[in-house]
Amino acid sequence: NAGVTQTPKFQVLKTGQSMTLQCAQDMNHEYMSWYRQDPGMGLRLIHYSVGAGITDQGEVPNGYNVSRSTTEDFPLRLLSAAPSQTSVYFCASSYSNSRNQQFFGPGTRLTVL
Amino acid sequence: TQLLEQSPQFLSIQEGENLTVYCNSSSVFSSLQWYRQEPGEGPVLLVTVVTGGEVKKLKRLTFQFGDARKDSSLHITAAQTGDTGLYLCAGRSGNNRLAFGKGNQVVVIP
Repeated sequence: NAGVTQTPKFQVLKTGQSMTLQCAQDMNHEYMSWYRQDPGMGLRLIHYSVGAGITDQGEVPNGYNVSRSTTEDFPLRLLSAAPSQTSVYFCASSYSNSRNQQFFGPGTRLTVL
Repeated sequence: TQLLEQSPQFLSIQEGENLTVYCNSSSVFSSLQWYRQEPGEGPVLLVTVVTGGEVKKLKRLTFQFGDARKDSSLHITAAQTGDTGLYLCAGRSGNNRLAFGKGNQVVVIP
């Protein structure tokens, strides 16, 4: 199993550009989520999904869209990038949204100029 | 949003020494998890504690969940350089969301 994979590893955008961060898992997990990690702020939940076709907002959803067309994939879209979205983004998955272990991907480091 | 305070924010110790870091909140959690994160990687789960007063051991790491399920501690005995990393606590509350603290950065000097 590859676990949770994220692409790209690094990305630089200009303000106003759009892009999609890819996340995939091969563990047949129902629950997937996106976090951003900023210095001094810890991990903050952006969006999550409890299964294919179902998504919901987390703590900091503004400026981001998600979709869950398959169990395996959970892409995160930045519609119009802003410097405030400069961060490290982590995708995570687990069997369910309970006490189960969350498996994190290696992260995408995004810089918006 | 439940606030999880982790202290100390940064800790540097010599190899072989013991250390304890803390995760505190005013909220009650149904469960609490500890993760370790190394530079350039995602967090990796170390332990989940569920019952108030619960103590779990993972080799030289001892985790304790407070009796009131509002706080937790992580104690490392005879620290090794491989213990260097960012330790994150995460509490699960009534809405079933996982809230993370800002982390305890531990550096073990050889």
